[in-house]
Amino acid sequence: GEEVAQTPKHLVRGEGQKAKLYCAPIKGHSYVFWYQQVLKNEFKFLISFQNENVFDETGMPKERFSAKCLPNSPCSLEIQATKLEDSAVYFCASSQGGLYSNQPQHFGDGTRLSIL
Amino acid sequence: ILNVEQSPQSLHVQEGDSTNFTCSFPSSNFYALHWYRWETAKSPEALFVMTLNGDEKKKGRISATLNTKEGYSYLYIKGSQPEDSATYLCAFAITGTASKLTFGTGTRLQVTL
Repeated sequence: GEEVAQTPKHLVRGEGQKAKLYCAPIKGHSYVFWYQQVLKNEFKFLISFQNENVFDETGMPKERFSAKCLPNSPCSLEIQATKLEDSAVYFCASSQGGLYSNQPQHFGDGTRLSIL
Repeated sequence: ILNVEQSPQSLHVQEGDSTNFTCSFPSSNFYALHWYRWETAKSPEALFVMTLNGDEKKKGRISATLNTKEGYSYLYIKGSQPEDSATYLCAFAITGTASKLTFGTGTRLQVTL
């Protein structure tokens, strides 16, 4: 597609439940990025992919967060045993150029995750 | 820890005013500086990506400059319009981790009639 598509728009989970978010990058874009936006517009980098391969996962909390980008499927970000502090808007972005190019990242509308 | 600072935090101008904001970033190991325009409940929209010291980019009434030696970028809006109201985010990448953008907290611009 022509836009990064994130689903669902809003996800509500009870503390301790699992949450799974999806992202379909723009067709032809090989690079996918996940960001967590909590307070004061702070976008925190979580993980990046080159096709289905993890490129940089230094922002991912090790214990409960996982992400995948499989061929012919939307990318996913999964949070096991959610905590209140996981409440945030999760943005996905994709990029056409190589990771060392000057290409911008194209963002989806985000998924608002609310943990109750 | 990389720190990207944007100022001012918010700005309120009248229609027709010209305005500018600042993005400050660490000057060592610089790779690229991105500017995004973000309206609440929408996706951030890419404005510019700049990599070279002295770079100047322009898109309509919006332009940006880059100084990598002193670690700052300016975003200028000429003749502000109400539709320019948004949060303007800058994001910075360093060599070796060019896939990872570190974002500032943005400048929120409100343009009134």
